[in-house]
Order: sequence, then structure tokens, then C-alpha cells
Amino acid sequence: AQTVTQSQPEMSVQEAETVTLSCTYDTSESDYYLFWYKQPPSRQMILVIRQEAYKQQNATENRFSVNFQKAAKSFSLKISDSQLGDAAMYFCAYAQGAQKLVFGQGTRLTINP
Amino acid sequence: NAGVTQTPKFQVLKTGQSMTLQCAQDMNHEYMSWYRQDPGMGLRLIHYSVGAGITDQGEVPNGYNVSRSTTEDFPLRLLSAAPSQTSVYFCASSYSYFPTDTQYFGPGTRLTVL
Repeated sequence: AQTVTQSQPEMSVQEAETVTLSCTYDTSESDYYLFWYKQPPSRQMILVIRQEAYKQQNATENRFSVNFQKAAKSFSLKISDSQLGDAAMYFCAYAQGAQKLVFGQGTRLTINP
Repeated sequence: NAGVTQTPKFQVLKTGQSMTLQCAQDMNHEYMSWYRQDPGMGLRLIHYSVGAGITDQGEVPNGYNVSRSTTEDFPLRLLSAAPSQTSVYFCASSYSYFPTDTQYFGPGTRLTVL
């Protein structure tokens, strides 16, 4: 079974600085999808970014970008110019062939003003 | 466009009681799913549906039933509640089951079983 591991339970960063959240996963498949979801205090899960494993180019969405290392099974999220509204739980997730997401344990991100 | 709605927001049950968590979406999405989130853990898939009349089990289906009689609604039934089912439950939907389609999540239902 596929597993997703986030080894940083908590991270903090100063406002306007850059922070990187780590994620590793285990799979024997070659074609799959990876995601980062944000869960603010309101609890509602919001998709931040998606990476397709067959694409070598790292995905970017405005201030959010990923570093996808397929051989190392690593998928980190970089948040640039951190803003107070970025404070949330961040979950890394995996899916292969369908929308059946496997989530990591989450990283709580705190933004210090 | 309300998106994905869930009712109730909070619920307290006694062990052995049954109840139904409601989920509805107004985006004409074919794919819907239920997840549970326990403290300190990520979400885990309970059941999912790829269209009206079609449902299947996820990672943690025991103790839960689902049905999908319409495209819009995907209720989750707890047959005989147990304290281990205390959790936050999320419903999600997407246009199709392909991971290239964005999944939209509801606001969650916090369930406590005493």
C-alpha cells in the first residue's frame, strides 16, 4: 500500500520569508499524482498545487512551488513571500489512477509577523 | 453556487445509535467521496462513488454504509455508532474520478460518540 510521510509536525517562518515543507512517499507505481492541500482553521481542505509524476517540470502556482524528485520519492512545497493568511495545516497527498487520496499526517505552519 | 455542503456541522451520539451524515453538491460532479480525519492524522478514505448508483469501499469502510441515488447527494450512514468513530468527517466531490480534476471539500462534520 502507498504511504505518505511528513516528518515535520510543525514549522514556523517570518512573514515575507520563504519556507519549505517536506514530504516523502512510497509507491511501486510509475504514473501517479501528488498534491499539497491547505487546511486553515475553518477546517475546509483547499487544493494548493498538483504534480503529475510523468511531468518532469515542477508545478508552480503563484507563490507556491514544488520540488519533485521522482527517484528519491520526495515532494516538497516551497512557499515564497509568506503571508499571515498562509498559516494552516498543510497535507501532502498521493493518488494513482483515481481520486482515492492517501494523505500524510500534516505539517502545522505558523507565520510570525 | 453553494459548492459542497455538509449537515450537521456538529453531532453527539451515544454508543449504538445510528445516524446519517448528509452531503450535497450543486456542481454536477460525478465523483463523490467521504473521508475521516482523526487527531494528528491525515484524512482517510471511507467510501467513494464514481456516479449515481455506483459506490465502492475505501481504506476504512467498516461501520459505514453509503448509497448514491442522485448525482447531487451522497449520504454516509453510521449503523451502530462506536467511540472509535469519533472524528471529523469530510465529503468531497470532483467532475470525474481522474486526479487531474480538482476535488472540492465540504466544511466537515465533527462527530463525537460517547
